Formats: sequence, C-alpha cells, structure tokens
Amino acid sequence: DADVTQTPRNRITKTGKRIMLECSQTKGHDRMYWYRQDPGLGLRLIYYSFDVKDINKGEISDGYSVSRQAQAKFSLSLESAIPNQTALYFCATSVGTSEQYFGPGTRLTVT
Amino acid sequence: AQRVTQPEKLLSVFKGAPVELKCNYSYSGSPELFWYVQYSRQRLQLLLRHISRESIKGFTADLNKGETSFHLKKPFAQEEDSAMYYCALFSGGYQKVTFGTGTKLQVIP
Repeated sequence: DADVTQTPRNRITKTGKRIMLECSQTKGHDRMYWYRQDPGLGLRLIYYSFDVKDINKGEISDGYSVSRQAQAKFSLSLESAIPNQTALYFCATSVGTSEQYFGPGTRLTVT
Repeated sequence: AQRVTQPEKLLSVFKGAPVELKCNYSYSGSPELFWYVQYSRQRLQLLLRHISRESIKGFTADLNKGETSFHLKKPFAQEEDSAMYYCALFSGGYQKVTFGTGTKLQVIP
C-alpha cells in the first residue's frame, strides 16, 4: 500500500553511529507503530503512538527512541547502533483498533 | 499478558493438498484475531480477520475460544499461496497487536 512509505529502504551503517528511519503516511490514520522483523522471531513491537502526544514503549524499546513529528510522520532512531539491531524494520498505521497497514520495510545492517 | 503461538516455522505441502496453518493464543479477555500474509519482497497485508467471517483467496479461519485457536485453512493449496503467514491478536485491554513468529508456507508444484 503506497500510502505508507519508509525511508531509507536499505541502510548499512557502522557500530556506534546514530541512524534515523522515517515513516510517512497519507492515510490520515491516528495510530502508528514500529516493528522489527527477525527470522524465527517474527514481528516485535518497538514503539507505538496513538496520536502526536501519546507515545508508548513496545516489547523491545531498549536502544531505540521515536518521534511523532506530526500525525503523518513517525521516526525511529537508533542513538548508537549495534550489530544485533540488524533487522528488517516495518512501520504500520491503523485507525483505532482495526487493521494495520504496513510500509515496505527498511533493511538495516549494522557492521 | 497476551501471547500468540505459531508452532510451525515452515510448512511444505504439494499443490492441490489441503493446508492448515496453526495459531494458538492466550488472552484473558475477548480477542480480535487476524491473519496477515507477506509475499516475497512485498509488505505485510491483512488476509482476513475473525469478526468478518469471510473467505479470502480460498482461505478461512474460525475462532475456537474453547481451544484458544485461530487456525488458517485452505482446501487446495496453490503455488501462489507460498508466503509468510502471521497470526495476530488485538487486545482491547492493552490496545495493541501481538504477532506470532510466523509460518512460512511452501507449496511444491
């Protein structure tokens, strides 16, 4: 669904670097989410936001921070990247409690 | 706490054979269950949800509260069904979605 976009799509960075992943949506949804996907572990929730002033930690928030700059934008930051943060990162949006719409994913490699 | 279990990491079936992808959940309240699918190099997308009781691409899933299961079934597998399938639970109490670890379905021609 092209209404949820993520940048960059691929990124290789070095240990200790700060990196930001961005997510934008044109669906007008109030809720936004960041997940990471790892083989054998499925999708795990990092952070979620119900509106601009409401941000909540997910199950694996350590080492990550987020910013909800506007209803349409939700950024994920790795302040000091480490190799075990190498993963596929997905942003998603939803209206209330309904279906989630996913972005195309960002493949992050930390060397 | 809520939990979603998909016991099979990989399920291989022959084309035309029946498919059943297992999903069990634990949640003390009344859950909403979903199945999401991720085709190769594509984003996750909703396949079906239990409240709509619909059949999508020949797949169905019935919520069994007694067995706390929401297995995904299709009577005759097609090659284009090969994908990663995720079961997900939405809990009204926690207002968030929990995903299972996923099952990769491989349909052999």
